[in-house]
Amino acid sequence: GQNIDQPTEMTATEGAIVQINCTYQTSGFNGLFWYQQHAGEAPTFLSYNVLDGLEEKGRFSSFLSRSKGYSYLLLKELQMKDSASYLCAVIDSNYQLIWGAGTKLIIKP
Amino acid sequence: TAGITQAPTSQILAAGRSMTLRCTQDMRHNAMYWYRQDLGLGLRLIHYSNTAGTTGKGEVPDGYSVSRANTDDFPLTLASAVPSQTSVYFCASSDETSGRAQPHQFFGPGTRLTVL
Repeated sequence: GQNIDQPTEMTATEGAIVQINCTYQTSGFNGLFWYQQHAGEAPTFLSYNVLDGLEEKGRFSSFLSRSKGYSYLLLKELQMKDSASYLCAVIDSNYQLIWGAGTKLIIKP
Repeated sequence: TAGITQAPTSQILAAGRSMTLRCTQDMRHNAMYWYRQDLGLGLRLIHYSNTAGTTGKGEVPDGYSVSRANTDDFPLTLASAVPSQTSVYFCASSDETSGRAQPHQFFGPGTRLTVL
């Protein structure tokens, strides 16, 4: 079966750095997404990785290792507004999007 | 631009009743999707449409039907609602043309449905 694993919940301090991991086992790989979802709202796109390496976009970076079936989302200089769920999703060989259950990130002052 | 709109925002429905959740996008995206999101579970695909006039079944299609008469609209119908269909429903769209840089999905605001 296809599976995406993320920690259920993480806690971090305002101003700090946090890394949210995602491991996947899917039938093929055609790209990986990270989405942010605030409570009661729709998911919004953060990043897309299809090649190995680090993609940086402001305070957020996303890393991919296809050989390890592994990605992480790195959030720097955490702000209270970063409190949200972060969803990892993988495009499989049939171009279907497989979603993880999401990681709820709690930011404390 | 509006992006994707969904209606209603929320609804309480008696079991056995039918209901149509509406979804409209103004981005001229060819692909559209319906997901349900339940606590502790990832987004689960109900139905999808790669282009107007075609639809396909996702991971959890039972009890739901869709139609795609035109590019903009993708309604989801529950013919006879059951309590297990209580969920948050999200409609999404994407530009599934080749060569696009980032083929991500855009989501509507969601419909919260409670079936009693």
